[in-house]
Parts: sequence; C-alpha cells; structure tokens
Amino acid sequence: GAVVSQHPSRVICKSGTSVKIECRSLDFQATTMFWYRQFPKKSLMLMATSNEGSKATYEQGVEKDKFLINHASLTLSTLTVTSAHPEDSSFYICSTLAGVNEQFFGPGTRLTVL
Amino acid sequence: QKEVEQDPGPLSVPEGAIVSLNCTYSNSAFQYFMWYRQYSRKGPELLMYTYSSGNKEDGRFTAQVDKSSKYISLFIRDSQPSDSATYLCAMTGGYQKVTFGTGTKLQVIP
Repeated sequence: GAVVSQHPSRVICKSGTSVKIECRSLDFQATTMFWYRQFPKKSLMLMATSNEGSKATYEQGVEKDKFLINHASLTLSTLTVTSAHPEDSSFYICSTLAGVNEQFFGPGTRLTVL
Repeated sequence: QKEVEQDPGPLSVPEGAIVSLNCTYSNSAFQYFMWYRQYSRKGPELLMYTYSSGNKEDGRFTAQVDKSSKYISLFIRDSQPSDSATYLCAMTGGYQKVTFGTGTKLQVIP
C-alpha cells in the first residue's frame, strides 16, 4: 500500500498559537488526501477532503478558517490549526486515497494545546 | 441510530484463540468494506478490503461480508500477542467518504 508520513508526530503549543501539520505521500501521487481527527475511544471523524490544486471540502461543523488546509502538490497536504485552544487538543491523522476506495493512513500527530 | 455500530470491547483472548470481530451497519448503499488495525498512538493500517458480499482470506485473517444482514466480520486465527490493537471497521458506497466504526480493542494474552 501507499506510504504516508506525518510531521510532527507530537506537538505541544500554547493557547493562541498556530500549528502546522504536514502529510506526505512518499511513494504515490495523491490527488486526494483526507484529514481526520480522533478522540480517545472514539471513531475517526472526517474533517475535510483535500484535493490537489483546489480548495478543500470541509465536513459540516468543521470551521474552515480555523483548520486551514493546503494541498499544493501531489505529495504534500498541510493542516494548520489557527489560534489553537485546549479543545483542539486531539490526534490528527491524514490519509491518501489509492485505488477505488482504499485509504492509507499516516502515523498521526498528537496535538496538545496548553 | 449510528450508520456503523461496533462493540468497543475490550476483548481479551488467550494466545492461539480464534477472534471474531463484528460490525453492523444501516446504510444499504455501502459496497466496499475495510478492516483497519490501529496500535496505540499510531495511524490505522489497512488489513482487509472487500467488495460486496462474500469472504476474503489473507493469512490468518478472514473478512466476511453479509450484505443481506448488513453485518461484517473479521476473524483472526491463531491469535498472537502482536495482534493486540484496536480494530476498526470501515465502509463506503464508493464515493470516497468512508464511515468508520468506533473500533474494538483486542488484547491477546500470552
């Protein structure tokens, strides 16, 4: 399957700062990438679908001005959490779409906002 | 009613046991079914991918889909301590958006 990396794996920041998370498709040109958020003991919650060269499509209830997504190349998508607050603390995971419906996930980024 | 229901567990079994993990769903449009394994603090890893009803086997893993009952299963034979993880079922109608179960935490005891 496709190999996906994320950076950083863990980040701790102060409330009010912005944090950028990178998602890279290492061996596959990813036209479409997905960003998820996962709370403890909860399912993956799709935040947005990122398409290379166009604006991301956000799920209902996800603030696009708070969670900025950029997919400027076929191998890189970034998620920027702007003016982060403690309630934004979570595990953020990206995935790439390969084949018809197979998604391959990155290792995740644990964000802690103090 | 949630679109996908999955017992969160935890499920504890002795090493060597056969494990059965299950999900039920309500959306009859779902055609593609996946099982992911997620270790603690890691991203999910695709284990099995099936289309429509039937069985698929890969080593110690067998995925089963019964669309008439809206029920899918993952069987793990000869379970190993390294199989201890959370198993997520996932499904889609084929329009990219995938719906995930909440995951079942499995512990295989040596």
